Amino acid sequence: DAKTTQPTSMDCAEGRAANLPCNHSTISGNEYVYWYRQIHSQGPQYIIHGLKNNETNEMASLIITEDRKSSTLILPHATLRDTAVYYCIVRVARRDDKIIFGKGTRLHILP
Amino acid sequence: ETGVTQSPTHLIKTRGQQVTLRCSSQSGHNTVSWYQQALGQGPQFIFQYYREEENGRGNFPPRFSGLQFPNYSSELNVNALELDDSALYLCASSLTDISDYGYTFGSGTRLTVV
Repeated sequence: DAKTTQPTSMDCAEGRAANLPCNHSTISGNEYVYWYRQIHSQGPQYIIHGLKNNETNEMASLIITEDRKSSTLILPHATLRDTAVYYCIVRVARRDDKIIFGKGTRLHILP
Repeated sequence: ETGVTQSPTHLIKTRGQQVTLRCSSQSGHNTVSWYQQALGQGPQFIFQYYREEENGRGNFPPRFSGLQFPNYSSELNVNALELDDSALYLCASSLTDISDYGYTFGSGTRLTVV
């Protein structure tokens, strides 16, 4: 079973920051938080991951709380192309630890 | 650097038939995972192959089987197809270590069983 809890859906206005929350209260000390997204009819796409520090790349920022029990993915300036299902996943960064998907958050970017 | 390529993109089969789906992993990736995604659901883990050996399996019956070849490409075989096998089948490759940047997914094969 997935180890994370996410809202089923969210709306965000185009050009605004999209903040997607994720709860992972049972996360272990060696588990990373990963985010993927899936645009309609495509395979999931890696966005970002982190252990305990906040992370930023060209796509998004990841904010992890100090107790590591929750995190937020931030898309700083959402566009219509960011409409997708976003999956928050916790796993050990090791080849034999599988990605287990939950139902994710369906993000709608509104024009 | 090429990504993950899956073939065919779409397929229609009749109940009871057998199907083989193929996946070419990203260059240098030695681990391949297969997922089944029913409409409106998240991808479900089927199994993973690492250096030609099965390295974990999800809750799928034995009629779902796989192979990984020396060049790390992979096949998913499904025997005795059932209507509920209709889904998007995703292949993902990875080269995981402590600095893992995640899996690279293909665009999937859409299987319809009639």
